[in-house]
Amino acid sequence: NAGVTQTPKFRVLKTGQSMTLLCAQDMNHEYMYWYRQDPGMGLRLIHYSVGEGTTAKGEVPDGYNVSRLKKQNFLLGLESAAPSQTSVYFCASSYGTSYEQYFGPGTRLTVT
Amino acid sequence: EDQVTQSPEALRLQEGESSSLNCSYTVSGLRGLFWYRQDPGKGPEFLFTLYSAGEEKEKERLKATLTKKESFLHITAPKPEDSATYLCAVQPRGGGGADGLTFGKGTHLIIQP
Repeated sequence: NAGVTQTPKFRVLKTGQSMTLLCAQDMNHEYMYWYRQDPGMGLRLIHYSVGEGTTAKGEVPDGYNVSRLKKQNFLLGLESAAPSQTSVYFCASSYGTSYEQYFGPGTRLTVT
Repeated sequence: EDQVTQSPEALRLQEGESSSLNCSYTVSGLRGLFWYRQDPGKGPEFLFTLYSAGEEKEKERLKATLTKKESFLHITAPKPEDSATYLCAVQPRGGGGADGLTFGKGTHLIIQP
């Protein structure tokens, strides 16, 4: 089992460019999440999904969109990148509420 | 608003010197409290889940405990490989929609040989 994988590992964007981060899990988990981690702050929830075809907003959703077309994949999109979106992005998955979340290795994004 | 405060921010110990990390939380009903370990440049690695006050869980040199207001991660006779950032997170009970975790900022632990 690969667990949770994320693509790409690193990316540099210019302000205004768009990109999509891909998360894949092979544990048959229903729930998937996107977090961002910034220095001096805890991980913060961006969006999450409780099943294929569903998405919901987390704590810091502005500037991001997500899609969950397949159970194993969760995509995070930035339509017009801003320097404030420079961060490390982590995807996670779990069986459901109250269960532990398993995290991917992260994507380091820099917006110049 | 749910809040998680971890202390200390950083801790340096000698190999074999036992200590405890604190996680204080404010939440409108606790569904679960989670401890994670994070190594530099990697994603958080799950350690423990605690669900109710009085519960304890152990794994090798680590032991997590939970009260109604805080959780402790006790490290007994640590080794250099225990060096990492330890994250505490809570999941609130009930509605509002967000099933994600609220994380503290972490405790950066260094174990010196």
